[in-house]
Amino acid sequence: GQNIDQPTEMTATEGAIVQINCTYQTSGFNGLFWYQQHAGEAPTFLSYNVLDGLEEKGRFSSFLSRSKGYSYLLLKELQMKDSASYLCAPMDSNYQLIWGAGTKLIIKP
Amino acid sequence: IAGITQAPTSQILAAGRRMTLRCTQDMRHNAMYWYRQDLGLGLRLIHYSNTAGTTGKGEVPDGYSVSRANTDDFPLTLASAVPSQTSVYFCASSPDSAYNEQFFGPGTRLTVL
Repeated sequence: GQNIDQPTEMTATEGAIVQINCTYQTSGFNGLFWYQQHAGEAPTFLSYNVLDGLEEKGRFSSFLSRSKGYSYLLLKELQMKDSASYLCAPMDSNYQLIWGAGTKLIIKP
Repeated sequence: IAGITQAPTSQILAAGRRMTLRCTQDMRHNAMYWYRQDLGLGLRLIHYSNTAGTTGKGEVPDGYSVSRANTDDFPLTLASAVPSQTSVYFCASSPDSAYNEQFFGPGTRLTVL
């Protein structure tokens, strides 16, 4: 079956760095997406990895290891507005996104 | 219209009633999707359409139907609503079905009593 595993909730301090891990099992693989979702709002795209390695985009970076079925999202210089849920979503062989339940990130001053 | 819109924003519905959730995008995207999001669960795909005139079933299609008469519109219909269909419904679109990010509408919060 297809399965996504990511922590339910994490807490971090403003200005710090946090890493949100995601492990996955899918039928085939066509890349992995990370989305951000603020409470009561729609998900918005953060990153896409299809090859192994680190993709950096400003304060956010995303890493992928296809052989390990593992990805992480790294958030640097945390700001209060980064308080949100972060959704890991690999794309399977049918080009369908398989969504994790998300990691709720709480930023404290 | 800018991007992708959904209507209504929220709705309370009596069980057994028929309801259509509307979704419209102006980005000329080929692929469109309907998801439901429930507390503690990931987004679950209900139905999708890779291009106008075609539709497919997702993970949880039972009790829902869709149509794709043109590129812009992708309505979702609940033929006879049941309380388990209480959820937040998101419509999304992408340029095509492969490798592209999906853009989400603001969502419809549906309560079935």
